Amino acid sequence: GAGVSQTPSNKVTEKGKYVELRCDPISGHTALYWYRQSLGQGPEFLIYFQGTGAADDSGLPNDRFFAVRPEGSVSTLKIQRTERGDSAVYLCASSSDRGADTQYFGPGTRLTVL
Amino acid sequence: DAKTTQPTSMDCAEGRAANLPCNHSTISGNEYVYWYRQIHSQGPQYIIHGLKNNETNEMASLIITEDRKSSTLILPHATLRDTAVYYCIVRVSGTYKYIFGTGTRLKVLA
Repeated sequence: GAGVSQTPSNKVTEKGKYVELRCDPISGHTALYWYRQSLGQGPEFLIYFQGTGAADDSGLPNDRFFAVRPEGSVSTLKIQRTERGDSAVYLCASSSDRGADTQYFGPGTRLTVL
Repeated sequence: DAKTTQPTSMDCAEGRAANLPCNHSTISGNEYVYWYRQIHSQGPQYIIHGLKNNETNEMASLIITEDRKSSTLILPHATLRDTAVYYCIVRVSGTYKYIFGTGTRLKVLA
């Protein structure tokens, strides 16, 4: 079946602009995670959704970052007033149950802030 | 806070067993240890997870020490396609925050 998909695959923007990154999880998966991966580093947790609600947003670095999942399926990560330090690969993962199940990752969106 | 420590890199000859260690001395008693791997430019891929007992599946074996402070991932017959970065992961107790660390870059040599 279809895996986790993320769009766009690449996004180049200018400092100060607003960006939206989309994640389509595996159908039926209630849990959804966002991670950020900088060059040479492991993925860093940003936020976890169970259904429509953000159950844990402790990894969001500041209030410029926001994520939604209004219908409990597709999720959008929103970054306001982008900074060069936001450049990274943003990964999305979904799982079929809360917290303790296998996470299936998408290919990521590479964000470059000029 | 939850943390994992892994060697930065390892080499392994093709066909031999690859043993990848991980230290997770701060793991909570009811949290699992997870292993994922990431091949260049792809998202991480699940390999195996365990709590206390050793585990085996079609991809690998996981050996967890009795005190649960460390574990070893074993790829019994490494192939060139196993070249990847391997992450040992734990979750911060009481949260959904998974800690990946910097991983071990495994290179399988022909």
